Amino acid sequence: GAVVSQHPSRVICKSGTSVKIECRSLDFQATTMFWYRQFPKQSLMLMATSNEGSKATYEQGVEKDKFLINHASLTLSTLTVTSAHPEDSSFYICSAREGITRHNEKLFFGSGTQLSVL
Amino acid sequence: DAKTTQPNSMESNEEEPVHLPCNHSTISGTDYIHWYRQLPSQGPEYVIHGLTSNVNNRMASLAIAEDRKSSTLILHRATLRDAAVYYCILRTTSGTYKYIFGTGTRLKVLA
Repeated sequence: GAVVSQHPSRVICKSGTSVKIECRSLDFQATTMFWYRQFPKQSLMLMATSNEGSKATYEQGVEKDKFLINHASLTLSTLTVTSAHPEDSSFYICSAREGITRHNEKLFFGSGTQLSVL
Repeated sequence: DAKTTQPNSMESNEEEPVHLPCNHSTISGTDYIHWYRQLPSQGPEYVIHGLTSNVNNRMASLAIAEDRKSSTLILHRATLRDAAVYYCILRTTSGTYKYIFGTGTRLKVLA
């Protein structure tokens, strides 16, 4: 199956610093990528939808100035958590849409990034 | 957003079939039903998806009710590696499409 690579897998940072997470589709082109966050024992919460070459669409309640998303190419999307604070500590997961039509479309997910803000 | 409802948890014995139900009574005619599963500390992985007809692949089978208001993911022979949280998701086609995860079913497989 298709592979989505997400880096880093774990990051610890000081409060006030910015952290960038990369999501790459390795063997397919992804016009659309999704970013989720997940707290322990909870489901995935969609943060934003990222389309190549255009601005991301953020879900209600997600601060776009806080979580900067860039999807500059068909294989790379990045999420930057700006001025991170302890409440931003979470498991962040990206996914890439593979398939041209609704009939054959699937999502492939990265392995996630555990962010801990001290 | 179209919603799905799943039991919080289920148990199965190893080597036995497992039927994981999902209700999606607000599904529209063009929404696809997707299933993903998530193992601990990993990103989810694709399991299967379908629109109206039952679907089979090497991982599982998907049985879709005739009125499409519910579906069942079938693991034919559960193994310990199948222990995961299983998510039933509707791939909506109205407006800006997106994949919204519900609470999922935590499957425990007993040896």
